[in-house]
Amino acid sequence: GAVVSQHPSWVICKSGTSVKIECRSLDFQATTMFWYRQFPKQSLMLMATSNEGSKATYEQGVEKDKFLINHASLTLSTLTVTSAHPEDSSFYICSAAWGGFYNEQFFGPGTRLTVL
Amino acid sequence: GNSVTQMEGPVTLSEEAFLTINCTYTATGYPSLFWYVQYPGEGLQLLLKATKADDKGSNKGFEATYRKETTSFHLEKGSVQVSDSAVYFCALSEGSGGSNYKLTFGKGTLLTVNP
Repeated sequence: GAVVSQHPSWVICKSGTSVKIECRSLDFQATTMFWYRQFPKQSLMLMATSNEGSKATYEQGVEKDKFLINHASLTLSTLTVTSAHPEDSSFYICSAAWGGFYNEQFFGPGTRLTVL
Repeated sequence: GNSVTQMEGPVTLSEEAFLTINCTYTATGYPSLFWYVQYPGEGLQLLLKATKADDKGSNKGFEATYRKETTSFHLEKGSVQVSDSAVYFCALSEGSGGSNYKLTFGKGTLLTVNP
């Protein structure tokens, strides 16, 4: 099946620093990638949708200047949490879809971010 | 807006027991419904789906029927195995016809199956 990886799987950073999370589709070309955020014992919440080569579409309430998303190639999307604060601590999950955002999404294993 | 409510866990069962995880939803329009499973250390995987009312999704012994009248999509398995231990997420999508676009997830239910 389609495999999606995330790196790092776990990161701790100091408040005020920026953190970049990578999402890669390993065996298929992902025309669309999604970024989710999951709080403890909460559901996954879609943050943004990105299509290769174009700007990401952010969900209501998600700060686009805070969470920078780049989808520069068909196999890589990055999420950069800028000037991170403790309230940004969360589990970030990406997914990738082949052939457009209406097709099945394949999920990465997630990245645990802890901001001190 | 759309929402999904699933039974809170954790759920602990003995091997070969019957499993039900309840899921109800609210949605505008005609969503597609999904169950995802997340094994420890792995990403979410699509377990089964149903795209219209009265459809039954099934996979690996799991089943769920799209009940529009009760807005439910309960997950069932007749005999669970230790290997079924995982977190299960119910979800719906805004897209019809099985589309995965804009998934709305429940909070997840942790299932532990003991030998």
